[in-house]
Amino acid sequence: AQSVTQLDSQVPVFEEAPVELRCNYSSSVSVYLFWYVQYPNQGLQLLLKYLSGSTLVESINGFEAEFNKSQTSFHLRKPSVHISDTAEYFCAVSRGGADGLTFGKGTHLIIQP
Amino acid sequence: ETGVTQSPTHLIKTRGQQVTLRCSSQSGHNTVSWYQQALGQGPQFIFQYYREEENGRGNFPPRFSGLQFPNYSSELNVNALELDDSALYLCATTDSTNYGYTFGSGTRLTVV
Repeated sequence: AQSVTQLDSQVPVFEEAPVELRCNYSSSVSVYLFWYVQYPNQGLQLLLKYLSGSTLVESINGFEAEFNKSQTSFHLRKPSVHISDTAEYFCAVSRGGADGLTFGKGTHLIIQP
Repeated sequence: ETGVTQSPTHLIKTRGQQVTLRCSSQSGHNTVSWYQQALGQGPQFIFQYYREEENGRGNFPPRFSGLQFPNYSSELNVNALELDDSALYLCATTDSTNYGYTFGSGTRLTVV
């Protein structure tokens, strides 16, 4: 079985400052890695995913995440945050097939003006 | 805008009752999975259907059951509702690559 640990339940950061949301996973087999964002009273939206190939993946709205196999991490970063980035961010892993996604508990990103 | 629609958006049920939640997805998305998200927690995998057959299940009791239909819609049924079943229920669909699930906005179920 796999598990996901999001080390910070809440991260406050000032607008236009950089941010890193940490994610570590545990699995005995290779996994696919995802970051999802959830705005209040909404479902989950896929930010980015790592399936294979380049370990650095980017989203269209400025976020990026780097897969580090040796440290079993998939931290999410953004060089300059905006008020609209305030949301809950979930890291997830999947072995593919019929296993579904295993989520972390989430990190609440709070942008301060 | 998501191609996955869930109904109803909110629902209140009494303990012991049964509930059916619905999900419709875009054409070609032949895999659907359901998740339970308790307040302040990450979503928990309930089960997954592929071509109308359940092919994966998380740690949920048999009173959680489902159906998937040929038109890419699906249902989640919960029998003998308990207070702890109060949560946001999310449906997620994907195509045959089984990556990059698309989530619906969820159904907020409250059991009183």
